[in-house]
Amino acid sequence: GESVGLHLPTLSVQEGDNSIINCAYSNSASDYFIWYKQESGKGPQFIIDIRSNMDKRQGQRVTVLLNKTVKHLSLQIAATQPGDSAVYFCAENPPWQNFVFGPGTRLSVLP
Amino acid sequence: ETGVTQSPTHLIKTRGQQVTLRCSSQSGHNTVSWYQQALGQGPQFIFQYYREEENGRGNFPPRFSGLQFPNYSSELNVNALELDDSALYLCASSFGGGATDTQYFGPGTRLTVL
Repeated sequence: GESVGLHLPTLSVQEGDNSIINCAYSNSASDYFIWYKQESGKGPQFIIDIRSNMDKRQGQRVTVLLNKTVKHLSLQIAATQPGDSAVYFCAENPPWQNFVFGPGTRLSVLP
Repeated sequence: ETGVTQSPTHLIKTRGQQVTLRCSSQSGHNTVSWYQQALGQGPQFIFQYYREEENGRGNFPPRFSGLQFPNYSSELNVNALELDDSALYLCASSFGGGATDTQYFGPGTRLTVL
């Protein structure tokens, strides 16, 4: 079946460093992708999205990169802060289907 | 503008029982999607309701059913509960009924089946 996976289940970074969270998606026809952040006890929070006609999109301190050739998505967080500690999910949107979420990567920010 | 709310926050049931979870969509949204999130996993799509009609369904058995009301709030019903139904149930609201519309999630209902 279709699935979205992550290369690293956990990631620890020093406060102030940049973080890179990776995601491999499986459906080459997926045309829309979202990164969500989920803090403990809360629902997923939208961070940034990208459509397949783009390869890069920037937000506030976050950048999403899309490489359709290898079906790879990444989320870059600049100057990581303690409040960035959470589980991050990528989600792909295959044609005529709802979103398929990956298993998530836990980001821990070290002081 | 109010966000997505869900009730109850936590729920404990025994195997074979039935459960109803509730969701109020964000102001201005007419679409509600339900997801099941097992511990340590990403959310899995159950179904979506748009204008009171089911508008897409994931790979879940018929004992998972839902409703959407005229005010766009929604219920998720699960019959004949199984141990594997223990999970966080998330509701997400959006506008437009499309699969690519940005979805805003509620805090979830933690269901434990004993």
